[in-house]
Amino acid sequence: EAGVTQFPSHSVIEKGQTVTLRCDPISGHDNLYWYRRVMGKEIKFLLHFVKESKQDESGMPNNRFLAERTGGTYSTLKVQPAELEDSGVYFCASGPTFTEAFFGQGTRLTVV
Amino acid sequence: EDQVTQSPEALRLQEGESSSLNCSYTVSGLRGLFWYRQDPGKGPEFLFTLYSAGEEKEKERLKATLTKKESFLHITAPKPEDSATYLCAVQANLRIIFGKGTRLHILP
Repeated sequence: EAGVTQFPSHSVIEKGQTVTLRCDPISGHDNLYWYRRVMGKEIKFLLHFVKESKQDESGMPNNRFLAERTGGTYSTLKVQPAELEDSGVYFCASGPTFTEAFFGQGTRLTVV
Repeated sequence: EDQVTQSPEALRLQEGESSSLNCSYTVSGLRGLFWYRQDPGKGPEFLFTLYSAGEEKEKERLKATLTKKESFLHITAPKPEDSATYLCAVQANLRIIFGKGTRLHILP
């Protein structure tokens, strides 16, 4: 069974540019989460989808971040415009229930 | 404020030398505590979920326990392949809060 897949694995962009991260969850998982780890800090929650609906987006840093989940399948996280402090590793996770989450390998974003 | 603290930050053990990792938490309304293993360049790998004080779960050389204030991840007779960062997370309401992790290195 395929796991959670994230694209791209690495992205280097200039400040002010736009980047879109994609997450393909495990088939059949209604719950999808985005997390971020900034260097030296703990993994922090960004938002939670249940199917195509945003259950909790209280962890989103600001309105430069936009997450969508089309048809309850894959999800995208867009950062526009990117700032230096957005650099970090962005993880996506999915799960059949809230208490069991399977993580992707992450997208390492570097804003220069 | 909800908080998760893991200790030690890093731990080096000889192969076969058993030890424990600590995760202390202060949250309002704990609904679950999770342990993950993370290898370099990869996402966290789910290990255990604990729901109530006194609960224990085991998987190979790992055993997780839970009290009202902390959880321990006991590693018995570890092998070099157990080297990884071990993450603790708690579910408070609908949000999951992670600790910074413990980097474990097992020397052959």
